[in-house]
Amino acid sequence: EVQLVESGGGLVQPGRPLRLSCAASGFTFDDYAMHWVRQAPGKGLEWVSGISWNSGVTAYADSVKGRFTISRDNTKNSLYLQMNSLRPDDTALYYCARSPRSSSPSAMDVWGQGTTVTVSS
Amino acid sequence: QSVLTQPPSVSGAPGQRVTISCTGSSSNIGAGYDVHWYQQLPGTAPKLLIYDNSNRPSGVPDRFSGSKSGTSASLAITGLQAEDEADYYCLSYDSSLSGRVFGGGTKLTVL
Repeated sequence: EVQLVESGGGLVQPGRPLRLSCAASGFTFDDYAMHWVRQAPGKGLEWVSGISWNSGVTAYADSVKGRFTISRDNTKNSLYLQMNSLRPDDTALYYCARSPRSSSPSAMDVWGQGTTVTVSS
Repeated sequence: QSVLTQPPSVSGAPGQRVTISCTGSSSNIGAGYDVHWYQQLPGTAPKLLIYDNSNRPSGVPDRFSGSKSGTSASLAITGLQAEDEADYYCLSYDSSLSGRVFGGGTKLTVL
């Protein structure tokens, strides 16, 4: 079964760091680019960051650029998001999702169930 | 303010047809980047509904269809059913932002 399972969320104080993980199974991990997408309570979806299959290309939303770092370990079938200098407006459910390797930006076809990050003092 | 504009809400009676628009610009949809559509039921992760403007993944009913023209795209749902009540999002790529962009989402209510 194709599966993405996020972990690492929790309650964190403003300014503190947090690292999210996403464990992939049931598919060939390095055939896919990977993404983090978040959803603040009661709000819409926001793409946060993406990474190519071989980590050669990374991209970030302006809202997190310079604070968040995406990475992956293809030997462990895992995706990560290092979040530094967290702010209350980073509070959200964070999803990881995959998109097939392609010459053009492809759809995110499989999503995890998400991990909740709450930034509050 | 989302780069891709969707109506906040649409509604229709069972059996009817509804459409949801996704309006972009020359740096995203108008630049030729594909549009993808997602359905999000309450309390669940988004589910891919349409990819590459008009293609349905296996298992998605043919009541759902997508199209794209110029700087806009549309999702059409025919034969509306109660189970279609959900939030719908479009997704594309924006060259000015060098990243993916979602529409603000549309809440579909089945009357």
